[in-house]
Amino acid sequence: GAVVSQHPSWVICKSGTSVKIECRSLDFQATTMFWYRQFPKQSLMLMATSNEGSKATYEQGVEKDKFLINHASLTLSTLTVTSAHPEDSSFYICSARVGGSFYEQYFGPGTRLTVT
Amino acid sequence: DQQVKQNSPSLSVQEGRISILNCDYTNSMFDYFLWYKKYPAEGPTFLISISSIKDKNEDGRFTVFLNKSAKHLSLHIVPSQPGDSAVYFCAASDRDDKIIFGKGTRLHILP
Repeated sequence: GAVVSQHPSWVICKSGTSVKIECRSLDFQATTMFWYRQFPKQSLMLMATSNEGSKATYEQGVEKDKFLINHASLTLSTLTVTSAHPEDSSFYICSARVGGSFYEQYFGPGTRLTVT
Repeated sequence: DQQVKQNSPSLSVQEGRISILNCDYTNSMFDYFLWYKKYPAEGPTFLISISSIKDKNEDGRFTVFLNKSAKHLSLHIVPSQPGDSAVYFCAASDRDDKIIFGKGTRLHILP
């Protein structure tokens, strides 16, 4: 149980285009989902917290107009990287929280984004 | 400034021996600490955790030790097995409901 999927697993796009990444909780409902970003040999950095039916809460330094997050249902959150640039190339990981235990986060497999 | 530090990027341990992964933190407000394990092309999976009111938590082959005065925690794996080869992330959280991760330590279990 508690499986989280991401789609796509990897994507290559051209500068200036937008890319949408989906995060789904497959066998449970997640009221809260988190989006992380990881650069090579760096830690997972929390980008935003997404609550179903409300606006996402972004961490300091994360541009909300560039990284659009939509959490339209209890099983799906999407991250759209708008007007992508090569510096947006990174590994994006989502996680979904079960119930109220903040530490019970289940992570997706991640999406590798390469912007050329 | 990194609040959770894993100063060893990699560690090699003989199969059957003890693996000790270390983690330091700077924020004294952290009240919960977690270890995650990550295989390539997969997301991190929760391994073990410890509350700041405890100094040890054990789960099978895995034991986490917390030294609050030194702001240090460690994960012990004994005996180490080939399947333990992975990247291990130390993480911490305060009542702000966010998890702060370290950079990870890659553990290699040698045959």
